[in-house]
Amino acid sequence: DTEVTQTPKHLVMGMTNKKSLKCEQHMGHRAMYWYKQKAKKPPELMFVYSYEKLSINESVPSRFSPECPNSSLLNLHLHALQPEDSALYLCASSLEGGGTGELFFGEGSRLTVL
Amino acid sequence: GQNIDQPTEMTATEGAIVQINCTYQTSGFNGLFWYQQHAGEAPTFLSYNVLDGLEEKGRFSSFLSRSKGYSYLLLKELQMKDSASYLCAVRDRWDNYGQNFVFGPGTRLSVLP
Repeated sequence: DTEVTQTPKHLVMGMTNKKSLKCEQHMGHRAMYWYKQKAKKPPELMFVYSYEKLSINESVPSRFSPECPNSSLLNLHLHALQPEDSALYLCASSLEGGGTGELFFGEGSRLTVL
Repeated sequence: GQNIDQPTEMTATEGAIVQINCTYQTSGFNGLFWYQQHAGEAPTFLSYNVLDGLEEKGRFSSFLSRSKGYSYLLLKELQMKDSASYLCAVRDRWDNYGQNFVFGPGTRLSVLP
């Protein structure tokens, strides 16, 4: 299994809603990432979890709340978002402790905030 | 600061060769990666360089010069399916806290018949 699975693929939410994005991998990777990507722009790092601990938080607003319940799962909880938060949210994972460490990306969750 | 530059757009003809350049200035260096991203899809890993020189993988090759802060991705025998964005990414840190990647703006390649 070399996949990173993200759900939902599409999400439309109002500014007062609470929703969550989910990400799952079964490759034994111990680092998981959330990236935000706007149209025609590169991915921007939001959070990194390494061995289930939050290791990097790139000054992301508190309306985005990450959670790593175990080494295979990564969630991104969304609350009181703004229309400018509409974007493709990519989850990625990587093998730590050896190899090239390249990122394996999921297909993304396309979020629209009304 | 962190800065990675790539051409915004390139056009090439099916069957031809195209070279996509990337220059970088980052606080650290622990490898340079190239990813391919088709519109609306996730990026997929193409190549990795950590030492100077050329790495070849089928129709794709990638070159690195650390002293010049320069890399290129070479695509041979272009096919229509190679139309995509190509992202240059530098890993500037890899430690017990994980990896930090800095992505370039991406180069949108259009392959014409």
